[in-house]
Amino acid sequence: DAKTTQPPSMDCAEGRAANLPCNHSTISGNEYVYWYRQIHSQGPQYIIHGLKNNETNEMASLIITEDRKSSTLILPHATLRDTAVYYCIVRPNQAGTALIFGKGTTLSVSS
Amino acid sequence: EPEVTQTPSHQVTQMGQEVILRCVPISNHLYFYWYRQILGQKVEFLVSFYNNEISEKSEIFDDQFSVERPDGSNFTLKIRSTKLEDSAMYFCASRQGEFTDTQYFGPGTRLTVL
Repeated sequence: DAKTTQPPSMDCAEGRAANLPCNHSTISGNEYVYWYRQIHSQGPQYIIHGLKNNETNEMASLIITEDRKSSTLILPHATLRDTAVYYCIVRPNQAGTALIFGKGTTLSVSS
Repeated sequence: EPEVTQTPSHQVTQMGQEVILRCVPISNHLYFYWYRQILGQKVEFLVSFYNNEISEKSEIFDDQFSVERPDGSNFTLKIRSTKLEDSAMYFCASRQGEFTDTQYFGPGTRLTVL
């Protein structure tokens, strides 16, 4: 089973920041936090990952709490095309390790 | 930007028939994966493949499934005798190497078993 807890759904107005929370209270020291998203029935798309420091890339920012028991994915200016299911996944940084998907958060961005 | 590609995009087959789903991973990637997603359900891991052998598989990946890398570019999933419950989206993914962790997914093949 997935080791993360996410709200089933969230809404966001276009142009506003979308903040998606994730709880991973049983995360181990060698496990990373990954975020993927799935738009409609397309293949999951990698967004960002981190171990303990906050991370930012062209798509999003990832804020990980100091105790690493939770994190927040931030889409700074959500657009309609960001409407998707967002998955928070914890896994060790080992080659071959499968991604275990939960139900994720369905983010609906509206104009 | 390099992409994982999958063919066909949609496959319809009769129960009991064999199907082969094809994937072309990103060219310099070394680790390959198959996942499936039954309509309305979670994405589920099936198998990972490295150095011409299976490195990990789930309980879903039973004897009716097999994977192969027949040449330097293709990665295939074979289902020997399809069942109705095999109807799903099948996603291929690839990963570059041991110390780069991102898995890149293809667009999927929708398998419909009648």
